[in-house]
Amino acid sequence: NAGVTQTPKFQVLKTGQSMTLQCAQDMNHEYMSWYRQDPGMGLRLIHYSVGAGITDQGEVPNGYNVSRSTTEDFPLRLLSAAPSQTSVYFCASSSKRAPPALGGETQYFGPGTRLLVL
Amino acid sequence: AQSVSQHNHHVILSEAASLELGCNYSYGGTVNLFWYVQYPGQHLQLLLKYFSGDPLVKGIKGFEAEFIKSKFSFNLRKPSVQWSDTAEYFCAVNAVSGYALNFGKGTSLLVTP
Repeated sequence: NAGVTQTPKFQVLKTGQSMTLQCAQDMNHEYMSWYRQDPGMGLRLIHYSVGAGITDQGEVPNGYNVSRSTTEDFPLRLLSAAPSQTSVYFCASSSKRAPPALGGETQYFGPGTRLLVL
Repeated sequence: AQSVSQHNHHVILSEAASLELGCNYSYGGTVNLFWYVQYPGQHLQLLLKYFSGDPLVKGIKGFEAEFIKSKFSFNLRKPSVQWSDTAEYFCAVNAVSGYALNFGKGTSLLVTP
């Protein structure tokens, strides 16, 4: 199992550009989510999905779009990048199917994408 | 809405000192509790978790945490820290009925030789 993978690892954008951050998991997890990490702010939930075709907003959704066409993939789209979106982005996945002792209920994180918007 | 508070934002300890990081949450229902660690330049790794049963849970690398339901607390402890414990530590909570994790703002731990 590769776990949760994210691409790219680093990205520099100019204000107004658009891009998609990719996230994939091979654990057949029904739940996937995107967080952004900023100094002194911890991790804040952007969007999440509880299954293919189902998405919802988290704490800081403005400026971001998501879709979930397959169980494995959960891309995050920045429609028009702004300097305030400079951050480290983490994707995570989890499942309630397995008992907690066997990994259920635990969110597994990807390695992150560092984004700089100039 | 749920919220998670971590009391210490920055902690500096000498090697072999004992560690306790505070975490309190606000939520009226049943919760799952987690501590994650992020070593410099790395992604988040699960340190330990509590779902039910014994409120004292043991995690990796000698860490443990105690869930005190009456105090809505889940403090992280380690009897003797090492230089390699230098990292950022995050407390997180999710409702048993849901999926989304709520994170505290993190505690940056620096262990000096």
